[in-house]
Amino acid sequence: AQSVTQLDSHVSVSEGTPVLLRCNYSSSYSPSLFWYVQHPNKGLQLLLKYTSAATLVKGINGFEAEFKKSETSFHLTKPSAHMSDAAEYFCVVNNYGQNFVFGPGTRLSVLP
Amino acid sequence: GAGVSQSPRYKVAKRGQDVALRCDPISGHVSLFWYQQALGQGPEFLTYFQNEAQLDKSGLPSDRFFAERPEGSVSTLKIQRTQQEDSAVYLCASSDGTGARNQPQHFGDGTRLSIL
Repeated sequence: AQSVTQLDSHVSVSEGTPVLLRCNYSSSYSPSLFWYVQHPNKGLQLLLKYTSAATLVKGINGFEAEFKKSETSFHLTKPSAHMSDAAEYFCVVNNYGQNFVFGPGTRLSVLP
Repeated sequence: GAGVSQSPRYKVAKRGQDVALRCDPISGHVSLFWYQQALGQGPEFLTYFQNEAQLDKSGLPSDRFFAERPEGSVSTLKIQRTQQEDSAVYLCASSDGTGARNQPQHFGDGTRLSIL
């Protein structure tokens, strides 16, 4: 079975400071991993994906994530937060089957 | 091009009524997925179509939930005899692969269903 843990339900940072959103996964196979962002009353937008190529993945809007198999982690980072980054972030694992399994989400607040 | 379109954006129904939610996937996308997102939680898988074939419906919570995609494009999620616990946002997603595990899914804005 596959599952996703997002260790923080809420993260608050000041504008211009680094962002770290943590994700750990459980998977029986070599997984594909994704990060999605959801702004209020909107659908989910893909930030980046890992599919067994480079372990450091760069996404849109300055976000990146590093796949660490030994730690079963796929943490999302950004060097400098912007007010527009405030949203809900979901880590997603996809195994051999078709279904995406979502984490519970981390709400990112960016303070001026 | 156009993204995934869902209608209506908001639906209010009385307990016991039937509702139908529509999804227009990205043109040409083979795979279509439905998810249920309860307030404050991540989306949970409901069902998956490859063209018109419903290959996985393991996430449908009860036999009151029914989904179809008769011509392999537009899909409808129907909920019969709605209950208050059905209140949630229903998300539709499509992808252009045959569900290969490294294919990202493109999501619509969802339908927010409220059962009174």
